[in-house]
Amino acid sequence: NAGVTQTPKFQVLKTGQSMTLQCAQDMNHNSMYWYRQDPGMGLRLIYYSASEGTTDKGEVPNGYNVSRLNKREFSLRLESAAPSQTSVYFCATLDGVFNSPLHFGNGTRLTVT
Amino acid sequence: AQSVTQLDSHVSVSEGTPVLLRCNYSSSYSPSLFWYVQHPNKGLQLLLKYTSAATLVKGINGFEAEFKKSETSFHLTKPSAHMSDAAEYFCVVSEDTGFQKLVFGTGTRLLVSP
Repeated sequence: NAGVTQTPKFQVLKTGQSMTLQCAQDMNHNSMYWYRQDPGMGLRLIYYSASEGTTDKGEVPNGYNVSRLNKREFSLRLESAAPSQTSVYFCATLDGVFNSPLHFGNGTRLTVT
Repeated sequence: AQSVTQLDSHVSVSEGTPVLLRCNYSSSYSPSLFWYVQHPNKGLQLLLKYTSAATLVKGINGFEAEFKKSETSFHLTKPSAHMSDAAEYFCVVSEDTGFQKLVFGTGTRLLVSP
């Protein structure tokens, strides 16, 4: 029962470097989300994927790209990291039924120096 | 547009005393409301949800919340705090506008002292 698995758990980047955050789920959920969590700001939606083959921008998409590789996997890419992207990133899934809860991974803590 | 306001960024209680975490919401539609809990270095876990079936909602670990439409509130309570309740709590509002969009509050950190 892995649920939602995020890799890596921690990452340190220099400004301008690129990286991809990976998210995989084994719950057969249709919808997947990427959030960032910053102190005092709650969780803010970066991108989401309502179903396989579709992606849409959330509240704070600038500086990020996503790929919904298949139903299981939803990756988040930082092409040129900036210090403002220092944050904790969470992947979450939803089975598509209204009012069903989000299922979260344990997060990736990213520091950009 | 929907929004959520958590009225306290920090709440401190003693073990065995009641807990009250306050949440007010704004929504154009009939909302669904959730409380999530986040323990250190973990993802968020659902505590409870309101979906219009009953205004008093019971969740895990002895928590409950009451939906009050007239006050646009959804406060989280627990009769007796336990040390393991120390965590951050998020109030979330959801609207079904063709796609389930969730808006998170800024969180309330609950501190429990012995």
